[in-house]
Amino acid sequence: QQQVKQSPQSLIVQKGGISIINCAYENTAFDYFPWYQQFPGKGPALLIAIRPDVSEKKEGRFTISFNKSAKQFSLHIMDSQPGDSATYFCAASGIRGSGSRLTFGEGTQLTVNP
Amino acid sequence: DTAVSQTPKYLVTQMGNDKSIKCEQNLGHDTMYWYKQDSKKFLKIMFSYNNKELIINETVPNRFSPKSPDKAHLNLHINSLELGDSAVYFCASSQNPPGWGNEQFFGPGTRLTVL
Repeated sequence: QQQVKQSPQSLIVQKGGISIINCAYENTAFDYFPWYQQFPGKGPALLIAIRPDVSEKKEGRFTISFNKSAKQFSLHIMDSQPGDSATYFCAASGIRGSGSRLTFGEGTQLTVNP
Repeated sequence: DTAVSQTPKYLVTQMGNDKSIKCEQNLGHDTMYWYKQDSKKFLKIMFSYNNKELIINETVPNRFSPKSPDKAHLNLHINSLELGDSAVYFCASSQNPPGWGNEQFFGPGTRLTVL
């Protein structure tokens, strides 16, 4: 059962444009929503994360917007650069505990054209 | 220094063989994981250990057996390899089980190809 749905599957933007990736979740017990970035041939790496008690978190050109009532969150990449070309994964997990786990979205392949 | 390392990087083998992938982390973390990433890049957790104790065991064939000799190591042994086992396997670690502020650090992955 896929508990985190991510869209689009792929995204092409021009340099300087805004990239937007959306995720929706089902489990209201989720309380940690990270985004991971994966370059070809590498493992995923944490990019930015948000808790459900805030609606937005910004780190440099990367912003997470969170809508708790709609159970949706999104990643915005401002002034997208060719170096941002990678696969982006949203994820979610519940309250920390021995059985908690990160559930990943399907991933979005972002290509930023020069 | 590599935080989470895996060996080998590439593994090509015949169906029916048995193989192992090794993982080591030098971050002092208590929790380690194995993930499988399929050809569509979907990441799915397989196992998780906390302080050498198995805490997550997803619906994975019995042919897959993790072993944690100590907190810094988590190995994955696969028996009777099948074509469908071809994927990239990632090891990861975190200080504690998943939750706020508990970043997971991933290794570089092991690309397994079963012929």
